[in-house]
Amino acid sequence: KAGVTQTPRYLIKTRGQQVTLSCSPISGHRSVSWYQQTPGQGLQFLFEYFSETQRNKGNFPGRFSGRQFSNSRSEMNVSTLELGDSALYLCASSPDVGGETQYFGPGTRLLVL
Amino acid sequence: LAKTTQPISMDSYEGQEVNITCSHNNIATNDYITWYQQFPSQGPRFIIQGYKTKVTNEVASLFIPADRKSSTLSLPRVSLSDTAVYYCLVVLGNYGQNFVFGPGTRLSVLP
Repeated sequence: KAGVTQTPRYLIKTRGQQVTLSCSPISGHRSVSWYQQTPGQGLQFLFEYFSETQRNKGNFPGRFSGRQFSNSRSEMNVSTLELGDSALYLCASSPDVGGETQYFGPGTRLLVL
Repeated sequence: LAKTTQPISMDSYEGQEVNITCSHNNIATNDYITWYQQFPSQGPRFIIQGYKTKVTNEVASLFIPADRKSSTLSLPRVSLSDTAVYYCLVVLGNYGQNFVFGPGTRLSVLP
C-alpha cells in the first residue's frame, strides 16, 4: 500500500497570506490527523477528522482549520499567516478514529516571511 | 495541566540496550501508548504500541506499569542507524481525545 502523501512538500508564503495543505491517507484509512512541529514547541496536535467530521481539536487559534472529503483526503488551511506559523506540518492517517496507530506522511515545510 | 515528559537526550554505544521512559499523567483510560522514531526531515515512524504490561515486536519492547503513568521503550542492541529522536504519544483525557506527543528524546548511538 502507498503511504501517506502530503502536498506540497515545501512552501514559502508571506505574512497575512493564507495557505492550504493537502493530505492523502493510506488507502482504507478513514481518520486523518494534523500536527504542527516546531523546534520550540515540538509536535502539537491540531485536529482529527473522521468521516468528514472534525472529531477532536487541539489548542490552536481559529486561523487553523481543516476539512475532510468523502474519499478521506484532507486539507488544512491557515489564514492570515504569522511568522510563528513557520513549521513542519504533518498529516497522519489511521484506520479508525482516535487511539489507533497513526501513520505519518513526510510533512509540508512551511516558511512564512 | 496534563503533561508528558521525556529525557531530552541520551547517549549509547553500539550493541547496548537503551531504555527511554516517558512520564504522563491524566492518560485516557482506554487508549494506547505509542512510540515513534523520527529522522531529520522525515515524518515520525511507528515503532510500537501498547495498552498495559509488556509488548514486544521485532524492533523494540514497551513496558507499561499498572498505573499507566509512564511507559518505557526498550531498544535492544542499538546500532548507529538508531540515532534519531524518539517520541511517546498518548491520549489525554477521557472526554474528547487530545493526542499529546512527549518532547522527544534525542538518542545518539556512538561507535
